[in-house]
Amino acid sequence: AQSVAQPEDQVNVAEGNPLTVKCTYSVSGNPYLFWYVQYPNRGLQFLLKYITGDNLVKGSYGFEAEFNKSQTSFHLKKPSALVSDSALYFCAVRDGNYGQNFVFGPGTRLSVLP
Amino acid sequence: GAGVSQSPSNKVTEKGKDVELRCDPISGHTALYWYRQSLGQGLEFLIYFQGNSAPDKSGLPSDRFSAERTGGSVSTLTIQRTQQEDSAVYLCASSLGTIDEQFFGPGTRLTVL
Repeated sequence: AQSVAQPEDQVNVAEGNPLTVKCTYSVSGNPYLFWYVQYPNRGLQFLLKYITGDNLVKGSYGFEAEFNKSQTSFHLKKPSALVSDSALYFCAVRDGNYGQNFVFGPGTRLSVLP
Repeated sequence: GAGVSQSPSNKVTEKGKDVELRCDPISGHTALYWYRQSLGQGLEFLIYFQGNSAPDKSGLPSDRFSAERTGGSVSTLTIQRTQQEDSAVYLCASSLGTIDEQFFGPGTRLTVL
């Protein structure tokens, strides 16, 4: 069965500093990996995904993520954080070979301090 | 273009009553998902429809929960004999295919008194 871990409940970073939100996964087959963001009082929005190809994927709002097969990780990164990036971030995985549905991580709350 | 819509946006009901929650996915999306999110928490998978295949009901928490998808489009999630622990935001999402990103609706906030 697939699973996702987001080891940090909360990440605090100063505006202008780089940010990283961590995600590790477990699947039996090939992983399909996604990041979503939930702003306060708004629905979940897609940020980026990894299906195959380049390990570094770029997404919306300047975010990127690196797929690392050996470490089974898919950490979300941004070179320079904005206060407006403050939100709840979810990593999700689907097993490309065996799974039908997506499993979401518990979420990481990012606070960017001015 | 129109996104995923859900109705009602808010529902307050009394314990023991039945409720129906509706989801209108994006036209042409073959996959439809229902999730439940408790306050500030993660998403709990409930059920997944893909085209004409049998739905994946593995996430439904009890037999009080059921869902259907008519004509491969609109979906209804029904909760019978609601309990207080059913209070949550129920989210619907659709995607073009099974490896595509999901588009989420705004959710239905259910409160069981």
